[in-house]
Amino acid sequence: QVQLVESGGGVVQPGGSLRLSCAASGFSFSEYGMHWVRQTPGKGLEWVAFIRYDGNIKFYADSVKGRFAISRDDSSSTLYLQMNSLRADDTAVYYCTKVRGDFLFDSWGQGTLVTVS
Amino acid sequence: DIQMTQSPSSLSASVGDRVTITCRASQNIDNYLNWYQQKPGKAPKFLISAASRLQSGVTSRFSGSRSGTDFTLTINSLQPEDFATYYCQQSYTVPLTFGGGTKVDIK
Repeated sequence: QVQLVESGGGVVQPGGSLRLSCAASGFSFSEYGMHWVRQTPGKGLEWVAFIRYDGNIKFYADSVKGRFAISRDDSSSTLYLQMNSLRADDTAVYYCTKVRGDFLFDSWGQGTLVTVS
Repeated sequence: DIQMTQSPSSLSASVGDRVTITCRASQNIDNYLNWYQQKPGKAPKFLISAASRLQSGVTSRFSGSRSGTDFTLTINSLQPEDFATYYCQQSYTVPLTFGGGTKVDIK
């Protein structure tokens, strides 16, 4: 049973930083790419970032490029999202997702809320 | 970026109804179209991949189809557990993009 558990959300001031974590279990983490997807009431679902199974390829949405960094630690089956220079419009629930293929989100965590205010 | 336009944004239906939701891509995405269901306070759940491939464990009341850049999610004989918000998503290229969602509620 795939399980993804996000943590690290909270309230942060504009310009601040936060690191989200996603603990994965129930599958061979090192064999799968992972994504972060966020959701706001006003803008719906927005893809944020992708990291390939080997960590060698990363993609980012333009809205976060240069400010956010996705990474992974296969030894602990943990996905990370380092968020710097946070803005009010980064306020959202952040989900980590496991991929099928590269770009399909077949399992989701419960989400962690980030509030920039 | 590929824009995904979903319609309607909301609809009201009764148990037993047949419901159709449409998603239009701004350019060709072949069959790289996926559907998700989201209930209040929960994460989205993957339903359909490649326009029409039902995820294992998903009821056959759900079906998907494609006509060019238009995609359709159909729910046959709507059941109480189907009242939710549905999203389409293109997996053709980055940036990956979602439709705006269709909320299906009880008439």
